[in-house]
Amino acid sequence: GQQLNQSPQSMFIQEGEDVSMNCTSSSIFNTWLWYKQDPGEGPVLLIALYKAGELTSNGRLTAQFGITRKDSFLNISASIPSDVGIYFCAGLGAGSYQLTFGKGTKLSVIP
Amino acid sequence: NAGVTQTPKFQVLKTGQSMTLQCAQDMNHEYMSWYRQDPGMGLRLIHYSVGAGITDQGEVPNGYNVSRSTTEDFPLRLLSAAPSQTSVYFCASSYLSGPGELFFGEGSRLTVL
Repeated sequence: GQQLNQSPQSMFIQEGEDVSMNCTSSSIFNTWLWYKQDPGEGPVLLIALYKAGELTSNGRLTAQFGITRKDSFLNISASIPSDVGIYFCAGLGAGSYQLTFGKGTKLSVIP
Repeated sequence: NAGVTQTPKFQVLKTGQSMTLQCAQDMNHEYMSWYRQDPGMGLRLIHYSVGAGITDQGEVPNGYNVSRSTTEDFPLRLLSAAPSQTSVYFCASSYLSGPGELFFGEGSRLTVL
């Protein structure tokens, strides 16, 4: 099956720093998505990307759909304590309903 | 709005027992799915449904059954639980027009002894 390589696996950053994480795939995806999971809860959708090269922002979050359709990245600017959690990338192939998730990036923010 | 509701939130089973995890959504979503989450493994798709009466297998379907008799409900059945099925299970739903834009439940933590 399709696999997504998400990196880094974990990050420890100081409050106020910017964060960058990325996801790569051996397969082409038509849709890239980024989710955040807080402890004890289900993931919540942050950003959805539908076109190669697309750059989309949601507050302090910015995500891009790679030109090759095989990668995506997520940036968080000026991190705050509530950014703590696990961030997942996910990809969807053409005509598919099977969303593939990366293994997640665990973010810790040091006040 | 209740969104996606999963029950139970916690369950302990003995090997060989059967049980059903319930999932209900009130958003009139056509698409529903079940994922399992294990440490370091991300979320893996078990089964999904694009509408009442239609189900299909995901990445890790073995040991699980599903049915979709109504738009709202999508139960996941474990017929003979095994320790390897110890996991956190998430139900998620979306409109077919926005596949991937999933709304998740809060999860059901299952332990099989």
